[in-house]
Amino acid sequence: DVKVTQSSRYLVKRTGEKVFLECVQDMDHENMFWYRQDPGLGLRLIYFSYDVKMKEKGDIPEGYSVSREKKERFSLILESASTNQTSMYLCASSPTRTGGTEAFFGQGTRLTVV
Amino acid sequence: GQSLEQPSEVTAVEGAIVQINCTYQTSGFYGLSWYQQHDGGAPTFLSYNALDGLEETGRFSSFLSRSDSYGYLLLQELQMKDSASYFCAVRGGYNKLIFGAGTRLAVHP
Repeated sequence: DVKVTQSSRYLVKRTGEKVFLECVQDMDHENMFWYRQDPGLGLRLIYFSYDVKMKEKGDIPEGYSVSREKKERFSLILESASTNQTSMYLCASSPTRTGGTEAFFGQGTRLTVV
Repeated sequence: GQSLEQPSEVTAVEGAIVQINCTYQTSGFYGLSWYQQHDGGAPTFLSYNALDGLEETGRFSSFLSRSDSYGYLLLQELQMKDSASYFCAVRGGYNKLIFGAGTRLAVHP
Protein backbone atom coordinates (compact mmCIF):
# COMPACT_ATOMS: atom_id res chain seq x y z
CA ASP A 1 0.00 0.00 0.00
CA VAL A 2 1.09 3.50 -0.77
CA LYS A 3 1.82 5.37 2.36
CA VAL A 4 2.14 9.08 2.93
CA THR A 5 3.05 9.83 6.52
CA GLN A 6 2.86 13.20 8.20
CA SER A 7 4.94 13.62 11.31
CA SER A 8 2.20 14.91 13.62
CA ARG A 9 -1.58 14.59 13.72
CA TYR A 10 -2.06 17.55 16.04
CA LEU A 11 0.27 20.44 16.77
CA VAL A 12 -0.03 23.55 18.93
CA LYS A 13 2.50 26.33 18.45
CA ARG A 14 2.92 29.88 19.66
CA THR A 15 2.80 32.97 17.46
CA GLY A 16 6.23 33.75 16.05
CA GLU A 17 7.60 30.22 16.36
CA LYS A 18 9.27 28.50 13.42
CA VAL A 19 7.26 25.39 12.63
CA PHE A 20 8.32 22.34 10.63
CA LEU A 21 5.79 19.94 9.15
CA GLU A 22 7.31 16.77 7.75
CA CYS A 23 5.94 14.43 5.11
CA VAL A 24 7.40 11.14 3.93
CA GLN A 25 6.16 8.88 1.13
CA ASP A 26 7.28 5.35 0.43
CA MET A 27 6.30 4.90 -3.23
CA ASP A 28 9.17 6.65 -4.98
CA HIS A 29 6.79 9.33 -6.32
CA GLU A 30 8.29 12.27 -8.17
CA ASN A 31 5.66 14.82 -7.16
CA MET A 32 4.83 16.04 -3.67
CA PHE A 33 2.38 18.69 -2.54
CA TRP A 34 1.42 20.72 0.51
CA TYR A 35 -2.16 21.96 0.90
CA ARG A 36 -4.07 23.67 3.63
CA GLN A 37 -7.75 22.92 4.10
CA ASP A 38 -10.16 25.36 5.67
CA PRO A 39 -13.96 25.04 5.83
CA GLY A 40 -15.61 26.24 2.65
CA LEU A 41 -12.31 26.87 0.90
CA GLY A 42 -11.37 23.37 -0.16
CA LEU A 43 -7.75 22.37 -0.56
CA ARG A 44 -5.49 25.29 -1.39
CA LEU A 45 -2.07 24.54 -2.80
CA ILE A 46 0.80 26.09 -0.87
CA TYR A 47 3.85 24.60 -2.62
CA PHE A 48 4.63 21.58 -4.72
CA SER A 49 7.74 19.80 -5.95
CA TYR A 50 8.15 17.71 -9.10
CA ASP A 51 11.67 16.53 -8.34
CA VAL A 52 14.33 16.57 -5.65
CA LYS A 53 15.44 20.12 -4.82
CA MET A 54 12.78 21.51 -7.19
CA LYS A 55 9.92 23.57 -5.77
CA GLU A 56 7.14 25.64 -7.23
CA LYS A 57 4.79 28.09 -5.55
CA GLY A 58 1.16 27.24 -5.37
CA ASP A 59 -1.70 29.66 -4.85
CA ILE A 60 -0.93 30.71 -1.26
CA PRO A 61 2.85 30.51 -0.63
CA GLU A 62 3.14 33.64 1.52
CA GLY A 63 4.48 32.89 4.98
CA TYR A 64 5.63 29.39 4.00
CA SER A 65 8.71 27.76 2.56
CA VAL A 66 9.53 24.16 1.64
CA SER A 67 12.46 21.83 1.42
CA ARG A 68 12.95 18.68 -0.63
CA GLU A 69 16.45 17.33 -0.12
CA LYS A 70 15.47 13.69 -0.64
CA LYS A 71 12.88 12.23 -2.99
CA GLU A 72 10.77 10.71 -0.24
CA ARG A 73 10.63 13.72 2.07
CA PHE A 74 8.93 17.09 1.63
CA SER A 75 8.98 19.58 4.49
CA LEU A 76 6.76 22.61 4.99
CA ILE A 77 8.19 25.44 7.06
CA LEU A 78 6.24 28.25 8.66
CA GLU A 79 8.94 30.86 9.15
CA SER A 80 7.08 32.78 11.85
CA ALA A 81 3.76 31.21 12.74
CA SER A 82 0.71 33.45 12.90
CA THR A 83 -2.83 32.76 14.09
CA ASN A 84 -4.16 32.92 10.51
CA GLN A 85 -2.05 29.85 9.75
CA THR A 86 -4.20 27.77 12.07
CA SER A 87 -5.51 25.11 9.71
CA MET A 88 -5.46 21.49 8.58
CA TYR A 89 -2.34 20.80 6.51
CA LEU A 90 -2.37 17.95 4.03
CA CYS A 91 0.60 16.45 2.24
CA ALA A 92 0.20 14.42 -0.96
CA SER A 93 2.37 12.60 -3.45
CA SER A 94 1.80 11.39 -6.99
CA PRO A 95 3.77 9.60 -9.69
CA THR A 96 4.59 11.11 -13.04
CA ARG A 97 3.11 9.06 -15.83
CA THR A 98 1.26 9.89 -19.00
CA GLY A 99 -1.97 8.11 -18.11
CA GLY A 100 -2.94 10.25 -15.19
CA THR A 101 -1.61 10.95 -11.78
CA GLU A 102 -3.50 9.70 -8.77
CA ALA A 103 -2.47 11.64 -5.69
CA PHE A 104 -2.19 9.92 -2.32
CA PHE A 105 -2.74 11.94 0.82
CA GLY A 106 -1.43 11.77 4.33
CA GLN A 107 -3.83 11.91 7.28
CA GLY A 108 -3.20 15.59 7.83
CA THR A 109 -1.74 17.76 10.58
CA ARG A 110 -4.13 20.00 12.45
CA LEU A 111 -2.05 23.00 13.44
CA THR A 112 -3.24 25.51 16.00
CA VAL A 113 -1.26 28.72 16.45
CA VAL A 114 -1.99 30.50 19.71
CA GLY B 1 -4.19 31.55 -12.92
CA GLN B 2 -6.43 28.61 -12.27
CA SER B 3 -9.88 28.36 -10.71
CA LEU B 4 -12.49 25.66 -10.34
CA GLU B 5 -16.16 26.06 -9.52
CA GLN B 6 -18.46 23.42 -8.11
CA PRO B 7 -21.67 23.60 -6.05
CA SER B 8 -21.13 23.84 -2.31
CA GLU B 9 -23.85 21.38 -1.29
CA VAL B 10 -26.05 18.69 -2.81
CA THR B 11 -28.65 16.51 -1.11
CA ALA B 12 -30.22 13.30 -2.39
CA VAL B 13 -31.99 10.17 -1.17
CA GLU B 14 -30.69 6.63 -1.07
CA GLY B 15 -30.93 4.86 -4.40
CA ALA B 16 -31.06 8.08 -6.39
CA ILE B 17 -28.61 9.49 -8.96
CA VAL B 18 -26.74 12.72 -8.37
CA GLN B 19 -24.50 14.78 -10.64
CA ILE B 20 -21.81 17.15 -9.33
CA ASN B 21 -20.62 19.68 -11.89
CA CYS B 22 -17.25 21.34 -12.15
CA THR B 23 -16.17 24.18 -14.42
CA TYR B 24 -12.57 25.26 -14.60
CA GLN B 25 -10.34 28.01 -15.89
CA THR B 26 -6.71 27.15 -16.24
CA SER B 27 -3.60 28.28 -18.06
CA GLY B 28 -2.46 24.69 -18.60
CA PHE B 29 -4.65 21.58 -18.59
CA TYR B 30 -3.77 17.91 -18.69
CA GLY B 31 -6.79 16.36 -17.02
CA LEU B 32 -9.59 16.52 -14.47
CA SER B 33 -9.69 14.33 -11.38
CA TRP B 34 -12.28 13.67 -8.70
CA TYR B 35 -11.61 12.94 -5.04
CA GLN B 36 -13.82 11.90 -2.14
CA GLN B 37 -13.27 12.95 1.45
CA HIS B 38 -15.23 11.69 4.44
CA ASP B 39 -15.34 13.84 7.57
CA GLY B 40 -12.09 13.44 9.48
CA GLY B 41 -10.46 11.51 6.66
CA ALA B 42 -8.00 12.19 3.89
CA PRO B 43 -9.08 12.75 0.27
CA THR B 44 -9.06 9.61 -1.83
CA PHE B 45 -8.88 9.37 -5.60
CA LEU B 46 -12.02 8.41 -7.55
CA SER B 47 -11.38 9.04 -11.24
CA TYR B 48 -9.37 10.88 -13.86
CA ASN B 49 -10.33 12.18 -17.34
CA ALA B 50 -7.68 13.38 -19.76
CA LEU B 51 -9.82 13.15 -22.88
CA ASP B 52 -13.41 14.10 -23.67
CA GLY B 53 -16.04 11.57 -22.76
CA LEU B 54 -17.32 9.40 -20.00
CA GLU B 55 -15.25 7.15 -17.72
CA GLU B 56 -17.15 4.58 -15.67
CA THR B 57 -15.95 2.94 -12.48
CA GLY B 58 -18.69 0.93 -10.80
CA ARG B 59 -21.41 3.20 -9.46
CA PHE B 60 -19.34 6.31 -10.22
CA SER B 61 -18.81 7.89 -13.65
CA SER B 62 -16.92 11.01 -14.63
CA PHE B 63 -17.31 13.12 -17.74
CA LEU B 64 -15.10 15.73 -19.37
CA SER B 65 -15.63 18.27 -22.13
CA ARG B 66 -12.35 20.08 -22.78
CA SER B 67 -13.95 22.52 -25.23
CA ASP B 68 -16.42 23.63 -22.54
CA SER B 69 -13.90 23.47 -19.66
CA TYR B 70 -16.49 21.39 -17.86
CA GLY B 71 -16.77 18.05 -16.17
CA TYR B 72 -19.07 16.19 -13.82
CA LEU B 73 -19.12 13.29 -11.43
CA LEU B 74 -22.16 11.04 -11.59
CA LEU B 75 -23.01 8.88 -8.59
CA GLN B 76 -25.63 6.18 -9.10
CA GLU B 77 -27.55 3.99 -6.67
CA LEU B 78 -26.63 6.31 -3.85
CA GLN B 79 -25.82 4.78 -0.49
CA MET B 80 -25.58 6.40 2.93
CA LYS B 81 -21.82 5.82 2.88
CA ASP B 82 -21.56 8.14 -0.15
CA SER B 83 -22.23 11.10 2.16
CA ALA B 84 -18.94 12.96 1.91
CA SER B 85 -17.26 15.92 0.25
CA TYR B 86 -16.31 15.60 -3.40
CA PHE B 87 -13.56 17.65 -5.01
CA CYS B 88 -12.69 18.20 -8.65
CA ALA B 89 -9.02 18.86 -9.37
CA VAL B 90 -7.13 20.06 -12.42
CA ARG B 91 -3.76 18.65 -13.36
CA GLY B 92 -1.56 21.35 -14.89
CA GLY B 93 2.01 21.83 -15.96
CA TYR B 94 4.76 20.09 -13.91
CA ASN B 95 1.97 17.87 -12.53
CA LYS B 96 0.59 20.73 -10.47
CA LEU B 97 -2.72 19.71 -8.88
CA ILE B 98 -5.31 22.38 -8.07
CA PHE B 99 -8.53 21.56 -6.22
CA GLY B 100 -11.96 23.14 -6.18
CA ALA B 101 -13.67 24.18 -2.94
CA GLY B 102 -15.58 20.91 -2.76
CA THR B 103 -19.22 19.78 -2.83
CA ARG B 104 -20.74 18.37 0.33
CA LEU B 105 -23.11 15.52 -0.54
CA ALA B 106 -25.72 14.50 2.02
CA VAL B 107 -27.56 11.26 1.33
CA HIS B 108 -30.83 10.76 3.23
CA PRO B 109 -32.84 7.56 3.79
